Amino acid sequence: GNSVTQMEGPVTLSEEAFLTINCTYTATGYPSLFWYVQYPGEGLQLLLKATKADDKGSNKGFEATYRKETTSFHLEKGSVQVSDSAVYFCALIPSGSARQLTFGSGTQLTVLP
Amino acid sequence: GAGVSQTPSNKVTEKGKYVELRCDPISGHTALYWYRQSLGQGPEFLIYFQGTGAADDSGLPNDRFFAVRPEGSVSTLKIQRTERGDSAMYLCASSTSQEREQFFGPGTRLTVL
Repeated sequence: GNSVTQMEGPVTLSEEAFLTINCTYTATGYPSLFWYVQYPGEGLQLLLKATKADDKGSNKGFEATYRKETTSFHLEKGSVQVSDSAVYFCALIPSGSARQLTFGSGTQLTVLP
Repeated sequence: GAGVSQTPSNKVTEKGKYVELRCDPISGHTALYWYRQSLGQGPEFLIYFQGTGAADDSGLPNDRFFAVRPEGSVSTLKIQRTERGDSAMYLCASSTSQEREQFFGPGTRLTVL
């Protein structure tokens, strides 16, 4: 079946540090890949996405590249801010007619001033 | 425009009772999804509607769970004979029929005492 494995948290960084949150997936074919973010007290928001191999999704300074050869979609940001503190979820939708998201377990990020 | 709304935001009930959770999707979105998120975990798929019909209900855990979308807009998730293990955040999302990006509501936190 389909699955997503995320780097376990929590992750604590100082402001302006470099962020990487690892994500690998198991799925047949070419799934669509997503990063969602959940800020404290808020609902899930789409952060970025990539729908085919070698695509790079980017938003708000975050980036992730769809790597088919390593089945990975690692999230990176060059300089984190306190406002980036949130829970980050990697997710996929399988190729074909399926529409449901399969999520990883989430990574809690805390950025300290 | 208005996003996905869910009511109530919080629901506390007693074991054995019946509950209904409501989701109002983004206007014009034909696809609607229900997920369940336990504390510290990623959301897990329950059911997906395309229009009025359930296109995929493979995530419903047992026959105590049922969902409807009679007019292709608002959906209600119904849980009979609630158990303490049903306590979780219930999330609703919607999308257009063409796009895979799903927009999430703020969720209903269900607590079964």
